[in-house]
Amino acid sequence: EVQLVESGGGLVQPGRSMKLSCAASGFTFSNYGMAWVRQAPTKGLEWVATISYDGSSTYYRDSVKGRFTISRDNAKSTLYLQMNSLRSEDTATYYCTRDYDGWGQGVMVTVSS
Amino acid sequence: DVVMTQTPPSLSVAIGQSVSISCKSSQSLVASDKNTYLNWLLQSPGRSPKRLIYQVSKLDSGVPDRFSGSGSEKDFTLKISRVEAEDLGVYYCLQGTHLPRTFGGGTKLELK
Repeated sequence: EVQLVESGGGLVQPGRSMKLSCAASGFTFSNYGMAWVRQAPTKGLEWVATISYDGSSTYYRDSVKGRFTISRDNAKSTLYLQMNSLRSEDTATYYCTRDYDGWGQGVMVTVSS
Repeated sequence: DVVMTQTPPSLSVAIGQSVSISCKSSQSLVASDKNTYLNWLLQSPGRSPKRLIYQVSKLDSGVPDRFSGSGSEKDFTLKISRVEAEDLGVYYCLQGTHLPRTFGGGTKLELK
C-alpha cells in the first residue's frame, strides 16, 4: 500500500523559508516520478512541481519558479520541497503525490506576519 | 497553460441517481505517445484527493464499476451510475499531457 507522510509545515513570515518533507513507503520510491500539489483554503487543487524518478528533471509552475525547489533522496525514500521567499499567496495545504495515484494527508503552510 | 473547464460546478443528487460531469480542455490532450492523460479524482470532505480514473477511462484498483470515464481529444465525461453516499465530495479532472499540469475547477456532488 502506498503511504506518503508529509511534514514540515506551519506558520512562517512572508519572505522567509520553509522545507517540506514527504516520507514514502509501500512501494519502490526510486521507480516513480513525484509531485507536489497545493490547495489554498476553500479553493481547488493546483499543481506546484514535479520531479522525475531519478531527480534528473524538475518542472515548476511559473508562480513558484526560482523560489521553490523540488528534490528527492531515493536512498531515504523521501521527497522534499524547499520554499524560499514565501508569499501570502503560498498559504495552502501541500500534498505530495506519486503520479497522482497515491496522496499524502497534506501539510498546512500559513504565510503571515 | 491548458485550461480545464469543468461543468457543472455543483450537483445535487439523490442516492441511486446517475450523474455526469463534463471536463473540456483548451488543447488536445493526446500526447506524443498517442495516449491521452486525463484523470478524474475525488476529494471527499476533509480528505486527500483520490484518483478514480486515469487515461480517460481506466479505473484505478478498488474503484467501483459504477464509475466510468469517456471522451477524447478535448472533451471528457465522468459518469457515476447509482450514486452512493460515499461518492459525495468534489470531483476534479486533471490533465497530465502538458506542463504545467492543470486541474479543472471542481464539481461538488451533494445530497439532494
